[in-house]
Amino acid sequence: DTGVSQNPRHKITKRGQNVTFRCDPISEHNRLYWYRQTLGQGPEFLTYFQNEAQLEKSRLLSDRFSAERPKGSFSTLEIQRTEQGDSAMYLCASSSQDLQGARSPLHFGNGTRLTVT
Amino acid sequence: AQKITQTQPGMFVQEKEAVTLDCTYDTSDQSYGLFWYKQPSSGEMIFLIYQGSYDEQNATEGRYSLNFQKARKSANLVISASQLGDSAMYFCAMREGMDSSYKLIFGSGTRLLVRP
Repeated sequence: DTGVSQNPRHKITKRGQNVTFRCDPISEHNRLYWYRQTLGQGPEFLTYFQNEAQLEKSRLLSDRFSAERPKGSFSTLEIQRTEQGDSAMYLCASSSQDLQGARSPLHFGNGTRLTVT
Repeated sequence: AQKITQTQPGMFVQEKEAVTLDCTYDTSDQSYGLFWYKQPSSGEMIFLIYQGSYDEQNATEGRYSLNFQKARKSANLVISASQLGDSAMYFCAMREGMDSSYKLIFGSGTRLLVRP
């Protein structure tokens, strides 16, 4: 179990640029989540994939945000035309649909910290 | 309305003492789950303990226990024999039974500082 991997760990970009983050979930996990966490706050849900299907998107996920999970393995989160308000930690998490069902915790990666200047 | 409320932004505890971190929740679902996570300064979210709404006993995991009071809709985390390494942010989270995504909704967290 290598855990959830996120790249890059840090990203500094200028306002208006596009950025893309990658998440590699735990290999046998079919559920994948993206969260955003700002300083001093708890993680806020952005979007959810079951296998390759994006089944839920939060209202927080504006039109500038897009997420994909081709082939149900890794996922990418792209932010177009970044704004200073996008500065945050972007967390990816995965879980399995197994016998534990609703008891399954989410396993988080170390996150990508985005700074928009 | 807030689904998860953590009213203590920060807490201090003396090393080796016990500490209780408060969490109240709001849901109309009969089936739900409550989770606690620890987030050290390094940033990773570490799962600590889980309590199901139908579980008859309070959950325990080593030095962590959950004081679950269903009628009061509270799920407080108790850390016994605090250690310096327990200094971190602690988040309470809920999974609602009717939510097929199984996503977690988090509170705003409590920062715990353990004094030597």
